Amino acid sequence: KQEVTQIPAALSVPEGENLVLNCSFTDSAIYNLQWFRQDPGKGLTSLLLIQSSQREQTSGRLNASLDKSSGRSTLYIAASQPGDSATYLCAAADRGSTLGRLYFGRGTQLTVWP
Amino acid sequence: ETGVTQSPTHLIKTRGQQVTLRCSSQSGHNTVSWYQQALGQGPQFIFQYYREEENGRGNFPPRFSGLQFPNYSSELNVNALELDDSALYLCASSLGTANTGELFFGEGSRLTVL
Repeated sequence: KQEVTQIPAALSVPEGENLVLNCSFTDSAIYNLQWFRQDPGKGLTSLLLIQSSQREQTSGRLNASLDKSSGRSTLYIAASQPGDSATYLCAAADRGSTLGRLYFGRGTQLTVWP
Repeated sequence: ETGVTQSPTHLIKTRGQQVTLRCSSQSGHNTVSWYQQALGQGPQFIFQYYREEENGRGNFPPRFSGLQFPNYSSELNVNALELDDSALYLCASSLGTANTGELFFGEGSRLTVL
């Protein structure tokens, strides 16, 4: 069974810092890995999707990398802003499971203070 | 383009009651997946519907059931509610069942069971 772990569970940084969120998964046979943002009490907003054949994806100040062999993905946020404060979740789409099924980590709660 | 919409946004029930949650998929998307997110946890896959049939199920008991309609909208029904069913229920839509696709989530329905 696929298990996804995110480290750290919480992170508090001053505005302007560059930061890295980590995600690890136990089964490297994945279709893709997706990063989401979740504001308190809200739904999930998709940030980046990396297909299994890709190594990284970029969108604005966000860059996500994927290393299937080591079972790791990282989300890099450049020049953090208070508006980036949210919980960031990673999710793996497993080749061996039901299509459309994602395995989520518990998330990293990010606070960026002015 | 219309996003994923869910109703109701919040509801309170008592143990033993039944609840129905509704989801309208994003325009053009024919597959709907349902997830349960307990407080402080990552979302857990309940089941997926494609072409009005269940197309995979997570580790949830039969009192969790669903429907998909010809217009691709979907319902999640939970019978004999238990306290542990209190959670945010998220609906996600996608195009087809290919697991290379991106999932788009709604804002969720917050269920409290007293």
